[in-house]
Amino acid sequence: EVQLVQSGAEMKKPGESLKISCRGSGYSFTSYWIGWVRQMPGKGLEWMGIFHPGDSDSRYSPSFKGQVTMSADKSISTAYLQWSSLKASDTAMYYCARQLGGSLSLGRISFDVWGPGTRVTISS
Amino acid sequence: QSVLTQPPSVSAAPGQKVTISCSGTSSRIENNSVSWYQELPGTAPNLLIFDNHKRPSGIPDRFSGSKSGTSATLGITGLQTGDEADYYCGTWDASLSSFVFGTGTKVTVL
Repeated sequence: EVQLVQSGAEMKKPGESLKISCRGSGYSFTSYWIGWVRQMPGKGLEWMGIFHPGDSDSRYSPSFKGQVTMSADKSISTAYLQWSSLKASDTAMYYCARQLGGSLSLGRISFDVWGPGTRVTISS
Repeated sequence: QSVLTQPPSVSAAPGQKVTISCSGTSSRIENNSVSWYQELPGTAPNLLIFDNHKRPSGIPDRFSGSKSGTSATLGITGLQTGDEADYYCGTWDASLSSFVFGTGTKVTVL
């Protein structure tokens, strides 16, 4: 079964760092792009960016560029999303999702497999 | 603020049909493929439609997608109580160099 398993909920303070994970299984992890999506409480979906675990290529949404870093460890089929200095406004649910098909055609992006989400709460 | 506009809510009785519109500009919908996602309460989004009208395996044909010009539409026929969810469209926005989701539509089964 193809699935993405995400790390557990996190509670952090403003200014702290954080790295959440997304482990893929049931498919060739290095052959598919992984996207990250934010959903703030009671709000809609926001695309943060997309990362290729095979060659570390990436595309960031202008809204999130410089705010987060995407990465992956191929050896354990795991993608990461990290922050160096959290803000209260980072409080949200974060989903990883697999891009449909192995190649990235920007005009045809869609996400066919989603992780269950990691809830991140930032509060002093 | 999303650049893809959806109606905030739609509703219909069980067995009826609803349509959800997704409106953008030429740099978004007209020139790129649209996908649609269903977000059931408390769960992760699920892909319903990709490449404007294609259904992944396992998605019933009650769900359909279409696109014309700068708008896309999701149709749900034979509405069921289990279809109550938030629905989002998504596409690439070349002017923003970013994938964008629609504002989301809540479907209520009366």
